[in-house]
Order: sequence, then structure tokens, then C-alpha cells
Amino acid sequence: ETAVFQTPNYHVTQVGNEVSFNCKQTLGHDTMYWYKQDSKKLLKIMFSYNNKQLIVNETVPRRFSPQSSDKAHLNLRIKSVEPEDSAVYLCASSLGDWGTYEQYFGPGTRLTVL
Amino acid sequence: GDSVTQTEGLVTLTEGLPVMLNCTYQTIYSNPFLFWYVQHLNESPRLLLKSFTDNKRTEHQGFHATLHKSSSSFHLQKSSAQLSDSALYYCALSDRGTGGLSGKLTFGEGTQVTVIS
Repeated sequence: ETAVFQTPNYHVTQVGNEVSFNCKQTLGHDTMYWYKQDSKKLLKIMFSYNNKQLIVNETVPRRFSPQSSDKAHLNLRIKSVEPEDSAVYLCASSLGDWGTYEQYFGPGTRLTVL
Repeated sequence: GDSVTQTEGLVTLTEGLPVMLNCTYQTIYSNPFLFWYVQHLNESPRLLLKSFTDNKRTEHQGFHATLHKSSSSFHLQKSSAQLSDSALYYCALSDRGTGGLSGKLTFGEGTQVTVIS
């Protein structure tokens, strides 16, 4: 099956802990993204990677860091989570990075910070 | 920076009636790419349609939209709503970057559509 896969589906943690989310795409795409969808359903880009190079780094807190081993994988690490980090984190991929290509989204990881 | 405005947060309409969701945008880029993404309950967003050609109608799955650069608009329409159209609809603008490639999408706040029988 060709798609965007994310693990875990859900994660509940305490303030101050470190978490990591995984994303893998089997679509053969060159660019991957991390988006944050908050409780009001606002969808905002956090990072994008093209062939392992970070090409967009929005003004997210420094505790967030993307990690990529190859163009099919893009993980997200959050050091010392805060309550405002509670959200759904969506991974996406596209064939290229011109912004004209369709972005394919994974199912998301729902993070709850207590 | 770029911005996208969707004026309706919630839309409730009766099955069979027409749908129109508003989308306007602001960008310094003269050739923007505009998208509509749809997110059904407990699913992830997926592309509904896209356009970069001024004044050309784009259609997909019964929905259509026309990019009007003169008014910076990309409204989504459908002639007859179905129950299955109930979903969250996002208008999005592509940022092609300045002097390079970025591929960033700027999303509007979304319009939640509920179709009732």
C-alpha cells in the first residue's frame, strides 16, 4: 500500500516530557511536511524537508525539531512538552516542493499534554 | 506574509441546495496557486481541487471553483449539496518562496459544512 503512515495514533504525556513522532511515506515523494492542527482546527505548517534538506522552518518553538534519515522518513521530536502543544500533528508529503503539487496527509498523531 | 480568509466558520444547509464557500487571499506573489482541501470527520485532509489559471473554472467531484486574481478570490461552489459533503473545507495558498523553493501551504481557518436532510 502506498500512503503516508504515522505512529503513534495517540500519545498522552506530562508537561516537561520528551516525545517523538514518526512518519513514513511510500509514495516515492521528494518532500515531506509537518503540520499542527489545534483544537480549533487551525492548520499550520511547522517544517518541510526536501531530499533531507530543511527548506522551510517556520517560527516554531525551539523545543520542536524535525529529524530525517532519508526522503521517505520525517520524524518530529518535542523536548519538554508544554500544555499548548496538545494538538494533532499531521505529516504530509508531495512529489515536489514547488507548492503546486498535491499534498498527501497521514492520519495524524493526537498529542495530549496533561 | 501570505494570508487566506474564509469568512464562514460554520455553514448548515439542506440537502439539494447549492453550496458556496468564500475564500479570499493576500500574497505578494503574482502567480499564486490556490487549493481547496476537504477533511471528513476522523480523517485527514485531502485535495479537492486546485488552480493557478486566472478566470478558468476548475471542477472535481461535483465541486467547482474559479481563480479570480482581480478580486483575489477562489470561492468553492456546488450546485446541489449531498449529505456526504458534510466536512471541514480549507482554502489554501501556495507559497513558492522568494528566490528559492518552499512549497509552503498557508491555510485558511476552515469552514465546517453540515448538510441536513
